[in-house]
Amino acid sequence: AQSVTQPDIHITVSEGASLELRCNYSYGATPYLFWYVQSPGQGLQLLLKYFSGDTLVQGIKGFEAEFKRSQSSFNLRKPSVHWSDAAEYFCAVGTLGTNAGKSTFGDGTTLTVKP
Amino acid sequence: DGGITQSPKYLFRKEGQNVTLSCEQNLNHDAMYWYRQDPGQGLRLIYYSQIVNDFQKGDIAEGYSVSREKKESFPLTVTSAQKNPTAFYLCASRWEGSEQFFGPGTRLTVL
Repeated sequence: AQSVTQPDIHITVSEGASLELRCNYSYGATPYLFWYVQSPGQGLQLLLKYFSGDTLVQGIKGFEAEFKRSQSSFNLRKPSVHWSDAAEYFCAVGTLGTNAGKSTFGDGTTLTVKP
Repeated sequence: DGGITQSPKYLFRKEGQNVTLSCEQNLNHDAMYWYRQDPGQGLRLIYYSQIVNDFQKGDIAEGYSVSREKKESFPLTVTSAQKNPTAFYLCASRWEGSEQFFGPGTRLTVL
């Protein structure tokens, strides 16, 4: 069974500081990995995804993530955080063709940005 | 504009009543999904459908029902058998080979 762990429930960073959100997954085959962002009371928006190829993937809003197979990790990074980045972030592992394309989500990390 | 719509945005229900949440997509996606989100928890899969007239239970299907009579529509009914229905409900869809795209959600409150 696939699973996702986001070790940090809540992270606070100062505006302009760098950010790294951790994600560890468990999956028996080649994983397809996603990071989503959710503002309060809203749906989820895809930040970036890893399907194959280059292990460093670029996303929207200046985010990037690196897939490390040996560590079963897919950490999200941003070099300089903006106040508008305050939100909840979800890592997910899933399939594309098999298993009906289902995804398993972590419990999320809430990001607070200090002025 | 293509996208996923969910209605209503807020829904209130009295205990013992059934209520239906709407999810419509005009993205021509084959697969659709319903998730439940509670504070401090991730998304939990309720039901999913890969094609019209077919759907499968997810991890927490008890107390819920769905139908998929049209490709564009995947309504979720929260029945009186659901013991703790107050939550945020998210609908998603995808085409084969893509990530899931999410609607804006419906917040259901039981009074």
